[in-house]
Amino acid sequence: QPQLQESGPGLVKPSQTLSLTCTVSGDSISSRSYYWGWIRQPPGKGLEWIGSIYYSGSTYDNPSLKSRVTMSADTSKNEFSLKMRSVTAADTAVYYCARQRLQKRENVFDIWGQGTMVTVSS
Amino acid sequence: DIQMTQSPSSLSASVGDRVTITCQASQDISNHLNWYQQKPGKAPKLLIYDAYNLETGVPSRFSGGGSATEFTFTISSLQPEDIAIYYCQQYHDLPYTFGQGTKLDIK
Repeated sequence: QPQLQESGPGLVKPSQTLSLTCTVSGDSISSRSYYWGWIRQPPGKGLEWIGSIYYSGSTYDNPSLKSRVTMSADTSKNEFSLKMRSVTAADTAVYYCARQRLQKRENVFDIWGQGTMVTVSS
Repeated sequence: DIQMTQSPSSLSASVGDRVTITCQASQDISNHLNWYQQKPGKAPKLLIYDAYNLETGVPSRFSGGGSATEFTFTISSLQPEDIAIYYCQQYHDLPYTFGQGTKLDIK
């Protein structure tokens, strides 16, 4: 069973950049069957899709984040990353990385990391 | 964005009960709907994809149905370990969006 693990600072100052990495084990991010996604969950609230990346570097993200998001993939390290610029308190959330199984009749986040809490505060 | 509305927002039921949650999409999404289970302090877990397909390894007491704008998620016989929040999610159009969640607990 593949495993995903998020890592990064738990505290980010307002207006700065949030940076997270997801390390994948038991699977290759170069697999042509999968995208790799980021989803977040503010405390006590629901889930919000942030964006997804293919191993080739192709990305797509949620327009609600107003182009503050950059995603990248490092196949040599088998990891992918998220950067979110100009953060505010509204970006405080648990951030999950997930494997996205994207096939002709399926589009699911089938394996998730455990999540990492990021707090935006001075 | 496609809005996903779940009902009820919370639900209490007894062990052995049949439980049904509904999810309404703001526009036709065909069968492009998934269901996830999230237990306290844990990541969501995929249960149902494409509206009615059971993910490998998920108990058969879970099922899904519906199409277009109206979808259902059913637990045929509620077990204590099913206490969780359940979310629907559409992938018909970008951005992917989730319902607000249905919190299920034991009566």
